[in-house]
Amino acid sequence: GNSVTQMEGPVTLSEEAFLTINCTYTATGYPSLFWYVQYPGEGLQLLLKATKADDKGSNKGFEATYRKETTSFHLEKGSVQVSDSAVYFCALRVGGAGSYQLTFGKGTKLSVIP
Amino acid sequence: DTGVSQNPRHKITKRGQNVTFRCDPISEHNRLYWYRQTLGQGPEFLTYFQNEAQLEKSRLLSDRFSAERPKGSFSTLEIQRTEQGDSAMYLCASSITMGFDPNEKLFFGSGTQLSVL
Repeated sequence: GNSVTQMEGPVTLSEEAFLTINCTYTATGYPSLFWYVQYPGEGLQLLLKATKADDKGSNKGFEATYRKETTSFHLEKGSVQVSDSAVYFCALRVGGAGSYQLTFGKGTKLSVIP
Repeated sequence: DTGVSQNPRHKITKRGQNVTFRCDPISEHNRLYWYRQTLGQGPEFLTYFQNEAQLEKSRLLSDRFSAERPKGSFSTLEIQRTEQGDSAMYLCASSITMGFDPNEKLFFGSGTQLSVL
């Protein structure tokens, strides 16, 4: 089946530190990969995505590269801000046979302190 | 565009009672999903609708769960004879898409938190 494994949190960083959240996956087909973010009290929001190997998704200073050879989609940001404090979810979707569901990892809680 | 709206935000019920949640998707979004999220876990897929047709149901969706989207607009999720294991956040998401689109963008609501005592 399909599954996503994320590094466990919580992760606490000082403002302007470098962020990496690891994500690896297994999939029965060729997946599209996503990072979603959940700010306190809000719904999940799409942060970035990549739909084929070697694609780089980017948004708000965050980046992730679709690595088929290592089945990974690690999230990075060069300098985090307090406003980046949230829970981050890695997810995949494998199309086919009418199945459009997203498979999520468990989430990684990030806290950024001033 | 007011976003995806879910009601109620919180629901506390006793074991054995029935509960119903409502989701209002973004206007004209033709696809609607239900997910369930328990503490410390990522969301898990329950079911989805294309317009009014329910096209896929997860094995997680037992016979006690039923979802409807009668006119292809709002949707309801009913849980009958609730159990303590049903305690979770129930999330709704919508999109405007047809078929499989790798660029499909889901918009999630803030969820309904269910607590079964």
